[in-house]
Amino acid sequence: GNSVTQMEGPVTLSEEAFLTINCTYTATGYPSLFWYVQYPGEGLQLLLKATKADDKGSNKGFEATYRKETTSFHLEKGSVQVSDSAVYFCALSTVQGAQKLVFGQGTRLTINP
Amino acid sequence: DGGITQSPKYLFRKEGQNVTLSCEQNLNHDAMYWYRQDPGQGLRLIYYSQIVNDFQKGDIAEGYSVSREKKESFPLTVTSAQKNPTAFYLCASSTRAGGEKLFFGSGTQLSVL
Repeated sequence: GNSVTQMEGPVTLSEEAFLTINCTYTATGYPSLFWYVQYPGEGLQLLLKATKADDKGSNKGFEATYRKETTSFHLEKGSVQVSDSAVYFCALSTVQGAQKLVFGQGTRLTINP
Repeated sequence: DGGITQSPKYLFRKEGQNVTLSCEQNLNHDAMYWYRQDPGQGLRLIYYSQIVNDFQKGDIAEGYSVSREKKESFPLTVTSAQKNPTAFYLCASSTRAGGEKLFFGSGTQLSVL
């Protein structure tokens, strides 16, 4: 079946550090891949997405590249800020339908000043 | 401002009691979804609806029921048959049936007394 595995959290970094949150997936077919972010006390928001191999999604300084050969979609940011503290979810969709979104378990990120 | 409103923010259920979680959206979205979020786990799909008066079971529908009498509203009832209801419940919507970008509400935390 389809599944998403994220690196376990929590992750704690200092401001301006480099961030990587690993995400790997198992899927039949050719999935679209997503990163959603959940800020404290809020619902999830779409952060970025990629729909085919070698695509790079980017938003707010975050980037993730769709790597078919390693079945990965790692999230990166060159210099994190305190305001980036949140829970990050990797997700995939294998059909044209949000109802088929499969989420990873989430990674809690805390940035200290 | 357009968005998704979930209420209440916190809800307590007694043994044997049914409780209903409200979800309203003014985004004119066709599709709506209910997810359950447990600590350390990803989101799991309970029910979804692609159009008024129609809905489908997700991965963990047992012990839950929904209705979609209006485009704007998709209430979730947690019945007494759900033996482990304590969780964070998230409602979402998308622009069309099959849209990949979900817009989320801020969630309802349900606890058992």
